[in-house]
Order: sequence, then structure tokens, then C-alpha cells
Amino acid sequence: EVQLVESGGGLVQPGGSLRLSCAASGFTFSSYEMNWVRQAPGKGLEWVSYISSSGSTIYYADSVKGRFTISRDNAKNSLYLQMNSLRAEDTAVYYCARVFMAFDIWGQGTMVTVSS
Amino acid sequence: QSALTQPASVSGSPGQSITISCTGTSSDVGGYNYVSWYQQHPGKAPKLMIYDVSKRPSGVSNRFSGSKSGNTASLTISGLQAEDEADYYCSSYTSSSTPYVFGTGTKVTVL
Repeated sequence: EVQLVESGGGLVQPGGSLRLSCAASGFTFSSYEMNWVRQAPGKGLEWVSYISSSGSTIYYADSVKGRFTISRDNAKNSLYLQMNSLRAEDTAVYYCARVFMAFDIWGQGTMVTVSS
Repeated sequence: QSALTQPASVSGSPGQSITISCTGTSSDVGGYNYVSWYQQHPGKAPKLMIYDVSKRPSGVSNRFSGSKSGNTASLTISGLQAEDEADYYCSSYTSSSTPYVFGTGTKVTVL
């Protein structure tokens, strides 16, 4: 079964850091581009970051540029999002999503809450 | 990159057809045939319903169809069913410094 499973979310204080992981299974992870998409409580979807299949090309939304770092380990079938200098407005469910035609496979999401 | 514009809500009775619009610019919706649509039920992850403007992934009902005219894309749900009640988001590839943008989202209510 094709599956993405996120982990690493939790409660963190403003200014703190968190590292999200996304474990892929059921497909050849190294062949696919991947993204992080987030959704603040009661709000819409917001694209956060993109990484190419090899990891050589990376993009970030302006709202997270300079604070978040996307990476992947194709040997471990895993995608990561290192989040530093977290702000209250980063509070959201974070989804990892595979790109094939569009965002065709999504994980179940992991909640990140930034609060003191 | 600003979010694509969608109506906040659309409603219809069972069996009716509804259409959700998604308005962007020539740098995103109008410039590429890479518009996709997602269905999201409460507490669930989004699900791909339409890609490349009008193509349906395997397993998606043919009651869902997509189209585009100029800078506006549309999702039509025909034969509306109770299970179609959900939030719907469009997305497009963009030529800006960031490759993707989502729409503001539309809540579909089945009366």
C-alpha cells in the first residue's frame, strides 16, 4: 500500500525548533518529488516547501524561508522538515505530499502547536 | 504569491450540479494546464480529485469534472450526493519564485 506517515509534531515555545519526519512506503521514494503543506486550525491549505527527487532543487514559501529546511534521505525513504525560530502563526497540521501529476498522495498530518 | 480565489461556500440539493470557480492570473491558472482539485473531509487529509485541469485519477467518480477558461478554472460536481459535502481546494503550478499555490477553499454543503 502506498503510504506516507508523518511524525514529530508537538507543542513548542515561540522561538523553538522542531523536526518533522515523513516515512514513505509502497513506492519508489527516490523517484518522486515531495512537498510539505500545512493547514492552520480552521484555515485553508498553504504550500510550504518542495524538494526534487534527488534533493538538488528546493523551494520555500516566503513565510518560512530562512527558518525552515526541507531535506530527504532516499536510502531511508524519508522526508524531513527542520523548523527553527517557530512563531505562533506556524501552528498548523503539517502534511507531506507526493508529487505525481499533482499532490497525489498525502500523509495523515502531524500537528504543530507553537505556544508559551 | 497570493492564494487563488475561490467562493467561500457553494450549496446544492441532492442530484443537482454545482460548480466551484478558482481564479488566478496568467502566471498560474491561466499560464499552465496544471490545475488540480482536492476534496477534504473534516479531520482528514486532502484527496486528489482532478489534475491537469480535467483529468481524473483512478477511482474518482466521473461525477467530478474540471475545466478552465482564461485565468479561471472550475470544478463541477454533478448528481450531488451527501458524501460530497466537504471542503474543496484548487491548486496550480506557478511561474513565481514558488512552484505551487492553493486556492482559498470552498465549503460545499448538500442541502
